[in-house]
Amino acid sequence: SQQGEEDPQALSIQEGENATMNCSYKTSINNLQWYRQNSGRGLVHLILIRSNEREKHSGRLRVTLDTSKKSSSLLITASRAADTASYFCATDAWGSQGNLIFGKGTKLSVKP
Amino acid sequence: DAMVIQNPRYQVTQFGKPVTLSCSQTLNHNVMYWYQQKSSQAPKLLFHYYDKDFNNEADTPDNFQSRRPNTSFCFLDIRSPGLGDAAMYLCATSRDEDEQFFGPGTRLTVL
Repeated sequence: SQQGEEDPQALSIQEGENATMNCSYKTSINNLQWYRQNSGRGLVHLILIRSNEREKHSGRLRVTLDTSKKSSSLLITASRAADTASYFCATDAWGSQGNLIFGKGTKLSVKP
Repeated sequence: DAMVIQNPRYQVTQFGKPVTLSCSQTLNHNVMYWYQQKSSQAPKLLFHYYDKDFNNEADTPDNFQSRRPNTSFCFLDIRSPGLGDAAMYLCATSRDEDEQFFGPGTRLTVL
């Protein structure tokens, strides 16, 4: 069953703008991960945030996690056309042996 | 460079004709996963090997089998592909429950 739900389903912005994607989930988690997928390609791991962390940064990426609301957000600052891709959150639930359950993804389009 | 390799990248098979997809890794990770991703959908875990232990997801059809002859290789066998099995198949690896590294995927077409 689907664990993560991303919002919005699709997002279109201009180069240089910030993009914010949200993810909600249902059960207790060990960690939450964000992945990027270019069209027809494999997934690329972006960032992992553990359940005891509230915020994490990696380059132009900022991820927050609110375990009380069972939600996370991914912020991409100063977006570039090359950021155009689908972004998925995936949750690693407690006791799942690292099995990830992916949300449906947000399709981001960054226009030059 | 350490990586996850999937072969072939594109596979065409006929309805009912068995097909095998392969995955190899140079990361020396102990866990290997197979995901199915249909068009515009989220990847869905089919099964995974934690070391030599095979773990099947409850809703994975019996039509799908897997083999892991050694640490580096893992195979996905589809015994009798149906039209509904057309999808991208993604292999991933991890060290225990750490982040997963994905291969480029194999796109399966069933005629």
